[in-house]
Amino acid sequence: NAGVMQNPRHLVRRRGQEARLRCSPMKGHSHVYWYRQLPEEGLKFMVYLQKENIIDESGMPKERFSAEFPKEGPSILRIQQVVRGDSAAYFCASSLGGLDRGEAIFGSGTRLTVV
Amino acid sequence: GQNIDQPTEMTATEGAIVQINCTYQTSGFNGLFWYQQHAGEAPTFLSYNVLDGLEEKGRFSSFLSRSKGYSYLLLKELQMKDSASYLCAVRSGGATNKLIFGTGTLLAVQP
Repeated sequence: NAGVMQNPRHLVRRRGQEARLRCSPMKGHSHVYWYRQLPEEGLKFMVYLQKENIIDESGMPKERFSAEFPKEGPSILRIQQVVRGDSAAYFCASSLGGLDRGEAIFGSGTRLTVV
Repeated sequence: GQNIDQPTEMTATEGAIVQINCTYQTSGFNGLFWYQQHAGEAPTFLSYNVLDGLEEKGRFSSFLSRSKGYSYLLLKELQMKDSASYLCAVRSGGATNKLIFGTGTLLAVQP
């Protein structure tokens, strides 16, 4: 009964490269959320997805960032042409249904460092 | 706007009781969550309040007053392992399921 799995745990990218962060939700969970956490700051909402649908992307930067949750496979957060300011911990969470049916379970995060 | 306020840091003594407060002003409200986060680890769920009152779960209790936009997390019989950040999060209204987090309260438990 694995929890929310994120990989890689640590990712180093040079400025201008692409970063792909993966998240496999808990078994049976169909709702996925991505959050970003900067040092000394709280978790900032980025995007909320259900299978094959983006429900709310109000927290996603308009450029360079995209997310998907395909019918098969993990959810992917993609950051193109990374810059130093993208360095942060990116957390994925999943829930069984809406949050009125249960809490969101978080993965251990991917720590992105842009050099 | 969305605003969730928590104290930045707190210190308490092993075996004591500590109360961590959270006030919120959000465009909608569909419940309040408390999470614990140890440094470098995933946030872990502690409690959920959607109705006014106190929810008790072992050493941890959480209280909500919707009319005051206020919640607190109460930790009893503090242990050293309780040293962590405690995150208050509001589930905003409408169809979205997003949680809006405060910046967290870093609790240091001293011997």
